[in-house]
Amino acid sequence: EPEVTQTPSHQVTQMGQEVILRCVPISNHLYFYWYRQILGQKVEFLVSFYNNEISEKSEIFDDQFSVERPDGSNFTLKIRSTKLEDSAMYFCASTKRGQGKMNTEAFFGQGTRLTVV
Amino acid sequence: AQKITQTQPGMFVQEKEAVTLDCTYDTSDPSYGLFWYKQPSSGEMIFLIYQGSYDQQNATEGRYSLNFQKARKSANLVISASQLGDSAMYFCAMRETSGSRLTFGEGTQLTVNP
Repeated sequence: EPEVTQTPSHQVTQMGQEVILRCVPISNHLYFYWYRQILGQKVEFLVSFYNNEISEKSEIFDDQFSVERPDGSNFTLKIRSTKLEDSAMYFCASTKRGQGKMNTEAFFGQGTRLTVV
Repeated sequence: AQKITQTQPGMFVQEKEAVTLDCTYDTSDPSYGLFWYKQPSSGEMIFLIYQGSYDQQNATEGRYSLNFQKARKSANLVISASQLGDSAMYFCAMRETSGSRLTFGEGTQLTVNP
């Protein structure tokens, strides 16, 4: 069964360093997302991406964050200068369809646990 | 703005019994979708069931069913014949037609006792 793949599963970084989280969405999906979950809290939307551009972003997704689809398979989240409060589980997700299609379930990756020290 | 509320931080159920996990929502969009996801201790998010705002019947998927009461803005998840493997965090989520994001509730930690 096709699945969303995220690498690495765990990453530890020093405050102020740049990190890139990588995702390979399901191959025939067109919409890509990043969510984060701070330990013990709910899952929060960061950004959605379609047709090589951001289609929606939350207030969390500030200038320190960026997303990119550098080739036909990868989807990346970059945090330019990490802060302690960026420590969280980051989930990549993909859907076949997006805005306007409510019944499209999002398939989530296993997550990348980011720890900023 | 859309909002999802799960008022039960933790629930306990005996194996083989049924359990209901509560979810209420608030939205001004007349068209929306409601989802339930399961998050085991390993951390992944597993889709369970979907209910559309215009669906006439409650959704069912195997042992999962969704008790959708539109007037009350509730979308409770019912798990029948609980199994030990059902122990996990359960999240209710909503998507409106005006956007692409899923908005999640706080989650309910379900523990199934043998």
